Amino acid sequence: DTGVSQDPRHKITKRGQNVTFRCDPISEHNRLYWYRQTLGQGPEFLTYFQNEAQLEKSRLLSDRFSAERPKGSFSTLEIQHTEQGDSAMYLCASSTDGTVYGYTFGSGTRLTVV
Amino acid sequence: GNSVTQMEGPVTLSEEAFLTINCTYTATGYPSLFWYVQYPGEGLQLLLKATKADDKGSNKGFEATYRKETTSFHLEKGSVQVSDSAVYFCALWDSGGSNYKLTFGKGTLLTVNP
Repeated sequence: DTGVSQDPRHKITKRGQNVTFRCDPISEHNRLYWYRQTLGQGPEFLTYFQNEAQLEKSRLLSDRFSAERPKGSFSTLEIQHTEQGDSAMYLCASSTDGTVYGYTFGSGTRLTVV
Repeated sequence: GNSVTQMEGPVTLSEEAFLTINCTYTATGYPSLFWYVQYPGEGLQLLLKATKADDKGSNKGFEATYRKETTSFHLEKGSVQVSDSAVYFCALWDSGGSNYKLTFGKGTLLTVNP
């Protein structure tokens, strides 16, 4: 297991289209997180899964965003009716129960909405 | 709420210069503190961490000491290299709040010239 994998690395889409990103965490990590990073800013928390349960969603996650983690393994993040303001780097991370040790981040998916 | 404040960049240094990136925090509980590094086009990598007051985290020549009295976690390196050019993020995890969410600073861009 080489780490957290995200797919695709880059996505360019037209405004109004739907997009879906995938994250494969480290296999023994039961916690999975999505963050969003815009230019010049630090990552901002979007949502968190413990196993298959989505335990918290940030108010940054509007109704157009949905995340799933079926069977507690990989996760998907879908954005419906994309807007230019959705352009950002979407980062996935995973960890064990002990967050004190820090997360392991994936390389991210860079979304550009044109 | 929790927050992290980093010195604004960009920081430009010559190779072998001394580096300090300031980080201060506000937390409701007893946070663990982290420095993450992001190389161009990549996700975040954990650089070092400290889990309690007076702990010193170190890795790859970088150091940071958890100072509870000044609520600080400044990053230092005695002699930077061109390969250290990246964005550096200070972050905290607060066991007294949401026990899974990392709060990040805005990041500091470091450029090291040969």
